[in-house]
Amino acid sequence: AQTVTQSQPEMSVQEAETVTLSCTYDTSESDYYLFWYKQPPSRQMILVIRQEAYKQQNATENRFSVNFQKAAKSFSLKISDSQLGDAAMYFCAYRTIEYGNKLVFGAGTILRVKS
Amino acid sequence: EPEVTQTPSHQVTQMGQEVILRCVPISNHLYFYWYRQILGQKVEFLVSFYNNEISEKSEIFDDQFSVERPDGSNFTLKIRSTKLEDSAMYFCASSEAGRGGYTFGSGTRLTVV
Repeated sequence: AQTVTQSQPEMSVQEAETVTLSCTYDTSESDYYLFWYKQPPSRQMILVIRQEAYKQQNATENRFSVNFQKAAKSFSLKISDSQLGDAAMYFCAYRTIEYGNKLVFGAGTILRVKS
Repeated sequence: EPEVTQTPSHQVTQMGQEVILRCVPISNHLYFYWYRQILGQKVEFLVSFYNNEISEKSEIFDDQFSVERPDGSNFTLKIRSTKLEDSAMYFCASSEAGRGGYTFGSGTRLTVV
């Protein structure tokens, strides 16, 4: 079974600075998806960024980018120019490529942004 | 942008009562899911549903739980005889076939007293 590990329970960053959230996973699959979800205090789950394992290029969405290291099974999220609205719980998640397969979540990292 | 809609946003129920949580997935999506998040803990998979039947369920999804797609738009989670430990945030999600992502609803906060 696949597992996802987020080793940082909590991180802090100064407004306008850059922060990196770590995620590692374990799988025997060669093709799969990886996701970062943001959960603000409202507890809604918001997709931040998605990476397909067969793509070597790291995904980027505005201030959010990932460092995907397939051999190391590592998938970190970098947030540049951090804003107060970035403060939230961030979950890393894994899914196989088979249609309809479930997401497997990590335990989450609380990100605090200081003004 | 299409949304997954969940109702109610918050429900309080007495222990032992039955509750039904409702979801309207995105109309062209084919796969539907329920996840649960106990306060402060990780998001856990409950069940996936495709072509009018359960395609996968977790060990959490025991006989107390059931899902149904009663018409072409709604997707419901029923919890029979609720327990205190069922208090959690319940998320509905849907996905299209292929390499598309998931879309989550805004969740239903269930409080069992």
